Amino acid sequence: GENVEQHPSTLSVQEGDSAVIKCTYSDSASNYFPWYKQELGKRPQLIIDIRSNVGEKKDQRIAVTLNKTAKHFSLHITETQPEDSAVYFCASRDISNFGNEKLTFGTGTRLTIIP
Amino acid sequence: NAGVTQTPKFQVLKTGQSMTLQCAQDMNHEYMSWYRQDPGMGLRLIHYSVGAGITDQGEVPNGYNVSRSTTEDFPLRLLSAAPSQTSVYFCASSYSIQLNEKLFFGSGTQLSVL
Repeated sequence: GENVEQHPSTLSVQEGDSAVIKCTYSDSASNYFPWYKQELGKRPQLIIDIRSNVGEKKDQRIAVTLNKTAKHFSLHITETQPEDSAVYFCASRDISNFGNEKLTFGTGTRLTIIP
Repeated sequence: NAGVTQTPKFQVLKTGQSMTLQCAQDMNHEYMSWYRQDPGMGLRLIHYSVGAGITDQGEVPNGYNVSRSTTEDFPLRLLSAAPSQTSVYFCASSYSIQLNEKLFFGSGTQLSVL
């Protein structure tokens, strides 16, 4: 089955600096990669996703890049703010195989923004 | 819409006890799933359902049962609780996982098994 590795497990950055979280996946057939944010004591929520026919996607201060050859994808947060402090999870899924409904998550990155 | 509703929010069980975690959604979602969240382990899929009457196993199904008699409800049953099942449980639903519609998560159930 799919294996998703996420690094780093914890990350502290100064407010206003950029943060980068990286994930690698094992199944070359995987072609959908969402990112979820979980604030302390809250439920995970989707913040951005990318499909394999796109190399990069941006939404304001958040961007995701994908390298299918190397089988890794990254979350980039620019101009970080205190409200960006949370646990971030990457995930992957093979959407080419109809009937495969399993979304595999990484182990999470705890991001702390230092004021 | 209330979204995805999970009950209870907290539960303490003794080893060997049984219980059911409830999950309901009012968004007419086809897809429903249960995850457990453990420190350093991320979110691991327990069971999922692509529609009423259809369920399948995820990554860590042992010790858990599910059923999907209606579109709205997807209860998770622990038949004989074990300390290894101490975790935070999330129910999540999606209009259609095949279309990669986003997952909506419930607020979670913190379960302790003594």
